[in-house]
Amino acid sequence: DTGVSQDPRHKITKRGQNVTFRCDPISEHNRLYWYRQTLGQGPEFLTYFQNEAQLEKSRLLSDRFSAERPKGSFSTLEIQRTEQGDSAMYLCASSQNSGRFYEQYFGPGTRLTVT
Amino acid sequence: DQQVKQNSPSLSVQEGRISILNCDYTNSMFDYFLWYKKYPAEGPTFLISISSIKDKNEDGRFTVFLNKSAKHLSLHIVPSQPGDSAVYFCAAKTGANSKLTFGKGITLSVRP
Repeated sequence: DTGVSQDPRHKITKRGQNVTFRCDPISEHNRLYWYRQTLGQGPEFLTYFQNEAQLEKSRLLSDRFSAERPKGSFSTLEIQRTEQGDSAMYLCASSQNSGRFYEQYFGPGTRLTVT
Repeated sequence: DQQVKQNSPSLSVQEGRISILNCDYTNSMFDYFLWYKKYPAEGPTFLISISSIKDKNEDGRFTVFLNKSAKHLSLHIVPSQPGDSAVYFCAAKTGANSKLTFGKGITLSVRP
């Protein structure tokens, strides 16, 4: 069963450092999404890709955040000059391409702690 | 501006009884609704969904009801089992806009 995978599962970094997370979606899924979840909240949308095209970005995605999906397969999310407020669970999800009534399947997430 | 609201933060039920988890939404453009279950330190797991053209969808022990006029949906779990203890998120999406909007979640505890 090849579900959505994310790496690393946990990341501890010092304020001001850059971090990069990777997401591998389910192989036949063309759409890939990034969400962020903080304590006591539901996941919040950050950005999504259809194949390699980044189609939407949330205003939560400040200039310090950048996401790529260069070959339409895996994706990376980079945070530059991390701040303590970036501490959260970063979730990746993927879904099928056609139609609008398709479920998103989530990976296990990357827990980021900024000290 | 919370477009998807789960107003009860927690629910405790006895094993074997029915669990009813509620969700309200404000955006009338939402046309697809999903429930996810989440265990600690794991990502959300898709549970069940319903499109706005239906008012009920059933999958085993799980049934989702949609009341569009009231902008309300509910998840029924019958019978509840201790393994159902988790955080449940209600989520919604709008047409071609693929992003999901989530509620804050409700913690379900099923007592043996």
